[in-house]
Amino acid sequence: EAQVTQNPRYLITVTGKKLTVTCSQNMNHEYMSWYRQDPGLGLRQIYYSMNVEVTDKGDVPEGYKVSRKEKRNFPLILESPSPNQTSLYFCASSFRGMSSYEQYFGPGTRLTVT
Amino acid sequence: GQSLEQPSEVTAVEGAIVQINCTYQTSGFYGLSWYQQHDGGAPTFLSYNALDGLEETGRFSSFLSRSDSYGYLLLQELQMKDSASYFCAVRPSALSSGSARQLTFGSGTQLTVLP
Repeated sequence: EAQVTQNPRYLITVTGKKLTVTCSQNMNHEYMSWYRQDPGLGLRQIYYSMNVEVTDKGDVPEGYKVSRKEKRNFPLILESPSPNQTSLYFCASSFRGMSSYEQYFGPGTRLTVT
Repeated sequence: GQSLEQPSEVTAVEGAIVQINCTYQTSGFYGLSWYQQHDGGAPTFLSYNALDGLEETGRFSSFLSRSDSYGYLLLQELQMKDSASYFCAVRPSALSSGSARQLTFGSGTQLTVLP
């Protein structure tokens, strides 16, 4: 089954404790992205990757890191989480070029930082 | 840059037709997409307009007018399961800022379908 998976689905952590949210897709997509979703603000892009070893900042990259060492995986790293990073996070992937308007989203990770 | 505006809420009754508008200010984009998201779920792709005009997919249709900087999603024969949030999104062109990014999303419209 074609899908994007994220882990964990739910996470409660404390300020300053490093964490990683994993994202994996099995569709051989070149593009991958991370979004955060907050009430009234829609989906805001954190980082994106056009291919292996190619990443760039989205609209709200502060406090986050990413890496793309393999085509299928795109982990999101919070080195020192803060309460303002409490949010719902989505990973998404798509083919590059003219098909990139259709993104496939993971199920989401609900993160709470206390 | 890109800026998309949608109404925050729309309410309609089962069986009715509803139109969700999306107006945008952008320096250039390839097309307008629509996504549906149920509470607690992931956004799912609904439709895409690369060219001006109407695209129909079953009960859902989407429209784009570049000259008016405007698009809409039309939902017909509304069903209770259509209650969800709907997002419009643009894919920036090579001429706009942040051109390599995938999509920029509007803030979403919460559709409530009443029995």
